Amino acid sequence: GAVVSQHPSWVICKSGTSVKIECRSLDFQATTMFWYRQFPKQSLMLMATSNEGSKATYEQGVEKDKFLINHASLTLSTLTVTSAHPEDSSFYICSARGNVRRGYGYTFGSGTRLTVV
Amino acid sequence: SQQGEEDPQALSIQEGENATMNCSYKTSINNLQWYRQNSGRGLVHLILIRSNEREKHSGRLRVTLDTSKKSSSLLITASRAADTASYFCATVFKAAGNKLTFGGGTRVLVKP
Repeated sequence: GAVVSQHPSWVICKSGTSVKIECRSLDFQATTMFWYRQFPKQSLMLMATSNEGSKATYEQGVEKDKFLINHASLTLSTLTVTSAHPEDSSFYICSARGNVRRGYGYTFGSGTRLTVV
Repeated sequence: SQQGEEDPQALSIQEGENATMNCSYKTSINNLQWYRQNSGRGLVHLILIRSNEREKHSGRLRVTLDTSKKSSSLLITASRAADTASYFCATVFKAAGNKLTFGGGTRVLVKP
């Protein structure tokens, strides 16, 4: 079945530094990748949608310059949290969407827990 | 933004009992999906129901969809302790770019 690898699974960084999270589709080409943010005991909030080779589409209220998304290939998307602050601490999850007709729907990574100290 | 509400927000049952949770949404949809999330982990796809379907089964799972009321329900029969998790509904609307929009989730605790 479809597998999405997300790294790192957890990261602790100092306030003011940047952190990069990778999301890879291992056995299928992801036409679209989605990035979500999840606070404790809450639902997933969509941050942005990225298509390979084009700029990401951000949801309302999400700062483009703070959450940089790059979708350089059909199997890799990255989310960089720039100048991180404690309020950026959260659980970030990516999802990759492949060719639905080939049976690839939405596959989620295992998430990254970011703690900014 | 979230698509809608899930009800109840939390559910505690004994092993062997059935668990029912409901999801309401706001917009038109092409399909509705249910996912499961164990604490601190990613999401696992459970079942997808299309907008022209009313009911679907998968193992111990039964999903219904009422597009006139913009609501869906997930029933887990004969629950097991391993079913303890959070359950989320998510809708897809192609005209909105095929993005998955999630409901608030239901935290289910199955006591052995």
